[in-house]
Amino acid sequence: EIVLTQSPGTLSLSPGERATLSCRASQSVSSRYLAWYQQKHGQAPRLLIFDTSSRATGIPARFSGSGSGTDFTLTISRLEPEDFAVYYCQQYDSSPRMYIFGQGTKLEIK
Amino acid sequence: QVQLQESGPGLVKPSETLSLTCTVSGDSMNSYYWNWIRQSPGKGLEWIGYIYYSGSAHYNPSLKSRVTISVDTSRNQFSLNLTSVTAADTAVYFCGRSLSSSLDSWGQGTLVSVSS
Repeated sequence: EIVLTQSPGTLSLSPGERATLSCRASQSVSSRYLAWYQQKHGQAPRLLIFDTSSRATGIPARFSGSGSGTDFTLTISRLEPEDFAVYYCQQYDSSPRMYIFGQGTKLEIK
Repeated sequence: QVQLQESGPGLVKPSETLSLTCTVSGDSMNSYYWNWIRQSPGKGLEWIGYIYYSGSAHYNPSLKSRVTISVDTSRNQFSLNLTSVTAADTAVYFCGRSLSSSLDSWGQGTLVSVSS
C-alpha cells in the first residue's frame, strides 16, 4: 500500500506570500491519480486540484499543482486570508482500489 | 449542483453497528462512485469504501471485514454499515462523490461517537 507523506506539518506564512506544500509517495504513482484538498475548521474537504495539475471548478488560478513520480507540489502563488487551512494530498491506488490521503499540512498565519 | 447529506445516529454503543445514510440531490447517481470517508477528532482523513451506482463495492482493506456499503438509486441514497464498533470508530463521517480518482463533492459530515 502506498503511503503519502506531506511536508511540512505546519507552514507559517503571511498573506501575500507564496506557499509551497509537498507530498511524497512511498512509490511512484500515476499523475492522473494525485489530488489536493483544502479543509477549513468544521467543514468538509474541498477539491482543489485533480490529476496533479488540473484545477477543480471554481478554484482560483493562484492554486497550482505539479509533480510526477513520487514528488508532488501544491503552490499558492499569493496567499489570501481565506487560504489558511489544512491541505491534504490524495492518491488513488488502482490495486487495491482505494483512496489514500496524506496526513495533512496546516497552513497558518504568521 | 449535486448536494450530499449524511444522516444517522450520533451515538452508538460499543460492539453495535454504526449505520449512516447519504442522500444525494441535484444530480443523478448514475456513472459515479459513492464514497464514505471518516476523520477521527483532530486527525486526518481515512477512506472507508465506495460503491458504484450499479452496486459494485470496494473497501479499505483495514476495515473490509466490518464494512458494508449499499446503494438505492431509486431513492438517491447510499448507506454505510460498520459492525462491532469501538471507541476508535468515533469520527466525523463524510459521504462523497467521485468520478475517477478524486472526490469532487462532499457532504458536510456527521459526528458519530461510540460510547456506552
